[in-house]
Amino acid sequence: EPEVTQTPSHQVTQMGQEVILRCVPISNHLYFYWYRQILGQKVEFLVSFYNNEISEKSEIFDDQFSVERPDGSNFTLKIRSTKLEDSAMYFCASNLRSGGTQYFGPGTRLTVL
Amino acid sequence: AQTVTQSQPEMSVQEAETVTLSCTYDTSESDYYLFWYKQPPSRQMILVIRQEAYKQQNATENRFSVNFQKAAKSFSLKISDSQLGDAAMYFCAYRRSNSGYALNFGKGTSLLVTP
Repeated sequence: EPEVTQTPSHQVTQMGQEVILRCVPISNHLYFYWYRQILGQKVEFLVSFYNNEISEKSEIFDDQFSVERPDGSNFTLKIRSTKLEDSAMYFCASNLRSGGTQYFGPGTRLTVL
Repeated sequence: AQTVTQSQPEMSVQEAETVTLSCTYDTSESDYYLFWYKQPPSRQMILVIRQEAYKQQNATENRFSVNFQKAAKSFSLKISDSQLGDAAMYFCAYRRSNSGYALNFGKGTSLLVTP
């Protein structure tokens, strides 16, 4: 069964460094998302992406964040200058059509020291 | 903004018994989607069940079923014949249907299953 994959599973970085989190959505899916979950808290929406542009973003997704689909398979989240409070689990998700169910990847645990 | 409330931070159930997890939501929309996701200790988000608001019939998936009360804005999850593998965090989520694609999650309910 097709699934969303994410790399790396765990990323440790120093405050102020740039990180890129990578996702490979399910191959025929058209809508892509990033969510984050700070430990012990609920899952929060960051951004959605469709037709090579951002379709919706939350207040969390400020100028420090960017997303890109550099080729036909990868979907990346870049944090330009990480802060301690960016430490969280980051989930990528995708779905085939606008009303479809979003399928989540296993997550990348980001630790900012 | 739509809010999703899960009023039970923790629930416990004995193996083979039935448990119901509560979820309420606030919206002015008439058409939307509701979901239950399971998050085991691995922290993977796994879809349990989905309900379209325009459907009156409650969704079921094997041992999992929902009680969708649209007027009351309530969406509870019933797990029958609970198994040890059901132990996890359960998140209720809301999504508008006609614009915007973001899932709006509740804070979750931690389910403990005892032998």
